[in-house]
Amino acid sequence: GENVEQHPSTLSVQEGDSAVIKCTYSDSASNYFPWYKQELGKRPQLIIDIRSNVGEKKDQRIAVTLNKTAKHFSLHITETQPEDSAVYFCAATGRRALTFGSGTRLQVQP
Amino acid sequence: GAGVSQSPSNKVTEKGKDVELRCDPISGHTALYWYRQSLGQGLEFLIYFQGNSAPDKSGLPSDRFSAERTGGSVSTLTIQRTQQEDSAVYLCATEGLTDEAFFGQGTRLTVV
Repeated sequence: GENVEQHPSTLSVQEGDSAVIKCTYSDSASNYFPWYKQELGKRPQLIIDIRSNVGEKKDQRIAVTLNKTAKHFSLHITETQPEDSAVYFCAATGRRALTFGSGTRLQVQP
Repeated sequence: GAGVSQSPSNKVTEKGKDVELRCDPISGHTALYWYRQSLGQGLEFLIYFQGNSAPDKSGLPSDRFSAERTGGSVSTLTIQRTQQEDSAVYLCATEGLTDEAFFGQGTRLTVV
């Protein structure tokens, strides 16, 4: 099955700086790569996703890049704000189930 | 309702008892997942249902765990002879045609 690895496990940045989270996947058949944000005590919610037919997608301060050849994708958050503090999960849909990375705890210091 | 609904929200049970957790998906969503999340940890895949296909049970940690999805709608996750290590939040998620997975609020299971 699919295996998704995510780094780093924790990330601390100063407000206004950028944050980058990286993931790799194993199944070359994977074609959908969502990112979820989970605030403390809440359910995960989709923040951005990308499909395998594009290399980059941007939504305001959030962008995701995909390198199919290398089988890795990244989340970029610019101009970070304290409310960006949360756990972020990458995921990949392979031949069957949606598989998540282990999560990155992002702390934005005011 | 418009979202994924899970019940109960919280469940405290004694070690050795059986528990049933319920997930009501968004209407029309054919794919349904169960995940387990221990405190401060990631999303551990348990089982996946897609339409009429055989479920992917590869994530179930032991034969004490089972799940059903009746009529392609409501799903129940059953844990038999619960152990303390089963304590976690159990999350259900469903997908429609857009591939976006919508999560329920979870069931917090505590085995004492």
